[in-house]
Amino acid sequence: GDSVTQMEGPVTLSEEAFLTINCTYTATGYPSLFWYVQYPGEGLQLLLKATKADDKGSNKGFEATYRKETTSFHLEKGSVQVSDSAVYFCALSGYTNAGKSTFGDGTTLTVKP
Amino acid sequence: DVKVTQSSRYLVKRTGEKVFLECVQDMDHENMFWYRQDPGLGLRLIYFSYDVKMKEKGDIPEGYSVSREKKERFSLILESASTNQTSMYLCASSPGLAGVGEQYFGPGTRLTVT
Repeated sequence: GDSVTQMEGPVTLSEEAFLTINCTYTATGYPSLFWYVQYPGEGLQLLLKATKADDKGSNKGFEATYRKETTSFHLEKGSVQVSDSAVYFCALSGYTNAGKSTFGDGTTLTVKP
Repeated sequence: DVKVTQSSRYLVKRTGEKVFLECVQDMDHENMFWYRQDPGLGLRLIYFSYDVKMKEKGDIPEGYSVSREKKERFSLILESASTNQTSMYLCASSPGLAGVGEQYFGPGTRLTVT
């Protein structure tokens, strides 16, 4: 079945550091890929998405590129802020799994001033 | 903006009680989902629904049931609450065909069963 593997956390960075959170996936067909963010005490919210190979999703300074050849969707940000501290989930959704989304385990990011 | 609301942010119930968690979305989405989130276990799908009166079991349906009488409302029912059902419960909806696509989450209900 489908699966998503995320870089294990927690990740601690200083403000303005470069962020990479690795995500690789296994899926049949051509899934859509997503990054969600969960701030403390809240539900998940969509951060960015990509629906086909080589698409780049971007939002709030975060970017991720759908790499079919390496089955990856790594999240990057050039300069993190304290307000980026949250849990980040990589996910996929495709017709071959009856439309159910498959989520990674989440990576906790803490940014220190 | 899509809004998904859940009836309570925090809930404390006793073992053996029947518990109802309500979820309402306001964007006419076809698909709705219930997850539980536990430390170290990530998100686990309990039940989902692609249409009114339809329901499908997710990965951990035991001890739960659901109801979807109206398109905008999806209820999760714990028939007889147990302490191992203490968790954060997240509802989500999505507009995609057969559930494919991004999901919109509610704020969550933190349930404690004592």
